[in-house]
Formats: sequence, structure tokens, C-alpha cells
Amino acid sequence: NAGVMQNPRHLVRRRGQEARLRCSPMKGHSHVYWYRQLPEEGLKFMVYLQKENIIDESGMPKERFSAEFPKEGPSILRIQQVVRGDSAAYFCASSPRPAGDSPLHFGNGTRLTVT
Amino acid sequence: SQQGEEDPQALSIQEGENATMNCSYKTSINNLQWYRQNSGRGLVHLILIRSNEREKHSGRLRVTLDTSKKSSSLLITASRAADTASYFCATDADGNNRLAFGKGNQVVVIP
Repeated sequence: NAGVMQNPRHLVRRRGQEARLRCSPMKGHSHVYWYRQLPEEGLKFMVYLQKENIIDESGMPKERFSAEFPKEGPSILRIQQVVRGDSAAYFCASSPRPAGDSPLHFGNGTRLTVT
Repeated sequence: SQQGEEDPQALSIQEGENATMNCSYKTSINNLQWYRQNSGRGLVHLILIRSNEREKHSGRLRVTLDTSKKSSSLLITASRAADTASYFCATDADGNNRLAFGKGNQVVVIP
């Protein structure tokens, strides 16, 4: 049973370009979470999605960031017009139930570098 | 505000020694979880302890929870070099069915 798959592992973008981060949850998991981690920091919640629905996006910046989890295919975190401050590791996690009642299974992250 | 603050922030011990780290949180919780993160990797779930539990064991790991003090501890016994990692606590105190993570404890086990 494959774990949570994230790609790409490393992504380099110039300021102003778009970044698209993909996450395939574990089989049977319908709850997906995106977190951002800066060096030497903990994880900051960004968004919580279920199939085709955004449940909680309170941690996501209001502009330039969007997320989706379509009926078919991976969850996508999209960052438009990237800036240097967007450089971070972005982690996706999935669970079979809401995270408050269930462990999260994490991918190995996408490390975004904005030059 | 970020729930879950670990203490100490960094710990360096000799192989075979025990490592203890603490986590405090601010509001009521239903459960608290501990995770490990190796350098350059994602987090791996270690233990989930519910608010009505006081202690839980898993192999060389022992977790305690004191809801009156809003704190938890993670003990790693007989540490190994492979235990070198960052350890995070996470709570559901923010509600909305999501986890809030602390800043983490970096543990280095010297062979």
C-alpha cells in the first residue's frame, strides 16, 4: 500500500512564476491536509480538503494560493506569482477520518525555492 | 496561536541514555499526538493519546498526558543513533478537525 506521494520533491521557480504541487493520498483516504514548514520551524496548517470540497482554508493566504482535491486525480496546491517568501517545504498529509481523531500520514514534501 | 510548544528545543544525548521532551498546550483537547521527522523527510506518526488516558506505551516510547497541567511528555528509552530526529507534538485544540503542531524538539543521539 503506497504511502502519500508528493511531487515534485524539489521545485525551483523564479519570482512571478506559478508553482503547482501535487499530492496523491494513501488509498482509501479522503481527507487531505497541506502544511508549510520553514527551516527550524514547525508545521503551519494551510488547508483541509475532502473530495471536491474545501473544508477549512483558514491557514492559506488570501491571495495567490489555491488548493483543490478533484473527484479524480491528486490534490493540487497552486501558488501564483511566487515571491521569495514562498520558499519553504510544503507537506501533504492524508487520513481516513478527520485529523482530530486519526493519525496523519505525511508525504516527503515538496521543497520550493524561489529565486 | 500555535498549539503545542515543546521543551527542550534541542537535546543531545549518548546512545543508550533516555531522552525526555515535554509539550504544553493552551486549550482543551480531545487527543494529542507525537510525530517524528527525519531530516529531509515527512513526519511519521508515533503515538496518539486521548484526553481520558494518562499514559501510553509503544515499544521504547512512553507518552504521558496531564490534562490538568495541559502538558504531555515523550520518553524514548535506551536511545539509538537512529532516533536522531525532530519530534513534534500536535493537538486538535484548534478544532475544525485539524492538527496544530509545535515547533519541535531536535534530538541528537551520539553513537
